[in-house]
Amino acid sequence: EVQLQQSGPELQRPGASVKLSCKASGYTFTEYYMYWVKQRPKQSPQLIGRIDPEDGSTDYVEKFKNKATLTADTSSNTAYMQLSSLTSEDTATYFCARNHLFDYWGQGVMVTVSS
Amino acid sequence: DIQMTQSPASLSASLGETVSIECLASEDIYSYLAWYQQKPGKSPQLLIYAANRLQEGVPSRFSGSGSGTQYSLKISGMQPEDEGDYFCLQGSKFPPTFGGGTKLELK
Repeated sequence: EVQLQQSGPELQRPGASVKLSCKASGYTFTEYYMYWVKQRPKQSPQLIGRIDPEDGSTDYVEKFKNKATLTADTSSNTAYMQLSSLTSEDTATYFCARNHLFDYWGQGVMVTVSS
Repeated sequence: DIQMTQSPASLSASLGETVSIECLASEDIYSYLAWYQQKPGKSPQLLIYAANRLQEGVPSRFSGSGSGTQYSLKISGMQPEDEGDYFCLQGSKFPPTFGGGTKLELK
């Protein structure tokens, strides 16, 4: 069974950084791109970027290029997203999702940025 | 980026009613179109991919159609468990872009 298990909720101060994880199981991690998505309350999701776990290559949506950094650890089948210089605009739920079909999603992680 | 215009924004349907949701792409997306259902507090679930292919395990009352720039999701016989938010997603060009969403409620 394919599963994407994300890390727990985060409460961070403005200006801080946070690293979220997404542990994959039930399939060969290196065979599928991993996508990361941001969703604010009552809004549709928006793509942040994607990573090819096989070689670590990444593609980012322009507006997130200086905000998010995607990495992957093939030894633990885990994808990571670091968000830097957090502001209130980064308060959202973040999902990882498998491949261009987004056929499997993590459960999401709520990131709250507040002083 | 390709813009996806989804309509309606909200919809109320009676039990057993047939429901349609539309997505209009800003350019031809060659049937690289998927539909998702999202329940409150949950992650989206894939319903339809490649415009009209039913994801495994999804009830057959869900169907997709369309081509070029115009696509639709049909629910043939609204059920209580179909309440939720629905999104389309184009995968023709990077970045994939989502429609604005449709909130479907049972009347």
